Amino acid sequence: QVQVMQSGAEVKKPGASLRISCKASGYTFADSYIHWVRQAPGQGLEWMGAIYPGDHSTNYAQKLVGRVTLTTDTSTTTVYMELNSLTLEDTAVYFCARESNYGGADYWGQGTPVTVTS
Amino acid sequence: DIQMTQSPSSLSASVGDRVTITCRAGQSISSYLNWYQHKPGNAPKLLISAGSSLQSGVPSRFSGSGSGTDFTLTISSLQPEDLATYYCQQSYSSRWTFGQGTKVEI
Repeated sequence: QVQVMQSGAEVKKPGASLRISCKASGYTFADSYIHWVRQAPGQGLEWMGAIYPGDHSTNYAQKLVGRVTLTTDTSTTTVYMELNSLTLEDTAVYFCARESNYGGADYWGQGTPVTVTS
Repeated sequence: DIQMTQSPSSLSASVGDRVTITCRAGQSISSYLNWYQHKPGNAPKLLISAGSSLQSGVPSRFSGSGSGTDFTLTISSLQPEDLATYYCQQSYSSRWTFGQGTKVEI
């Protein structure tokens, strides 16, 4: 069965960098995009970017271009999301999710809470 | 980026009521529109993809319709477990965007 598992909660200082892992299993890893979505406290869902493990191609939200980087290790079926120059506004729960063949994201990780605090 | 606008931002309804949430895209997105249910502390759950395709295991009281720029999510008979925030999301562009959400209260 398809599973998506994320790394644990993080606490960071402003200006630091963040790296979250997302391990997917139970399907052909190279064949499906992995997307990243975050939700800040009291806010809605915000799409951050996506990576296609088959060819490592990426797309990023315009507001995060230059700060976010998605990479993939196909040997461990893991995707990494790195966000640098953190600010208080990056405090959020971060989710990774697999894109369905029929549209949308059908399998989600459990979410990784990130707190940015001085 | 394609802007997605949902209405209303929140609603209160009773068990058994018919509930309708609308989503408007800033440009035509054909049927590349998906709906999610999000409960606090959980990951979002995909309810409907491609405008109207119900995901496996999702109760049939949920339905989606529309194409182009205007879309609708309908809950035919609201149940207590439907308390959640609902989001539309376009996948027409490789840069996905979500609506701002509709909080459903019972």
